[in-house]
Amino acid sequence: QKEVEQDPGPLSVPEGAIVSLNCTYSNSAFQYFMWYRQYSRKGPELLMYTYSSGNKEDGRFTAQVDKSSKYISLFIRDSQPSDSATYLCASFVTGGGNKLTFGTGTQLKVEL
Amino acid sequence: SAVISQKPSRDICQRGTSLTIQCQVDSQVTMMFWYRQQPGQSLTLIATANQGSEATYESGFVIDKFPISRPNLTFSTLTVSNMSPEDSSIYLCSVEDTLGRGPGYTFGSGTRLTVV
Repeated sequence: QKEVEQDPGPLSVPEGAIVSLNCTYSNSAFQYFMWYRQYSRKGPELLMYTYSSGNKEDGRFTAQVDKSSKYISLFIRDSQPSDSATYLCASFVTGGGNKLTFGTGTQLKVEL
Repeated sequence: SAVISQKPSRDICQRGTSLTIQCQVDSQVTMMFWYRQQPGQSLTLIATANQGSEATYESGFVIDKFPISRPNLTFSTLTVSNMSPEDSSIYLCSVEDTLGRGPGYTFGSGTRLTVV
């Protein structure tokens, strides 16, 4: 079993839709949870991070972590064509070399 | 946040040859990380490179296949040796970065390698 599981998609939504991207994880020791966005032929860029459980909002993006169910979510409101990218969830344990463990990524396409 | 320049951005190589990928950071960093991203798979950590010491390799990756240099705090190279088509992948370097939004990692744009 992979430590971080993510549905690869692709996910296609109309412009303006609310997008929900999800991951599950198995390592209870994970403390930080991150979402990266990767455009084609680019490296991943950090969108948001969350420490432990809870919600975090940044503009149109909301990250949510439920440690009891080991579930990570990213919500995108009022999705735009520029949001079309691959979204990767990642986690790490501090003190463990801070090594990131990534999901496989979900490819999102927002259509006009 | 740190800015990473990675070269080459892409290459097509013959099997049996080697390719060295360069990663330059615009600030001094303690640790640099090398990842592989294969189609449909997660980013997989190859090794962690600290300046002045041997790189630490993850399970499944060995120094003979992926030698790494880290001559100073802003530069590292990864060599993919004796390449086979199975090495075709995107290789990315990364540094630990405080991005103003908490802990995080900045990535280079990657090197897209095709082995024929």
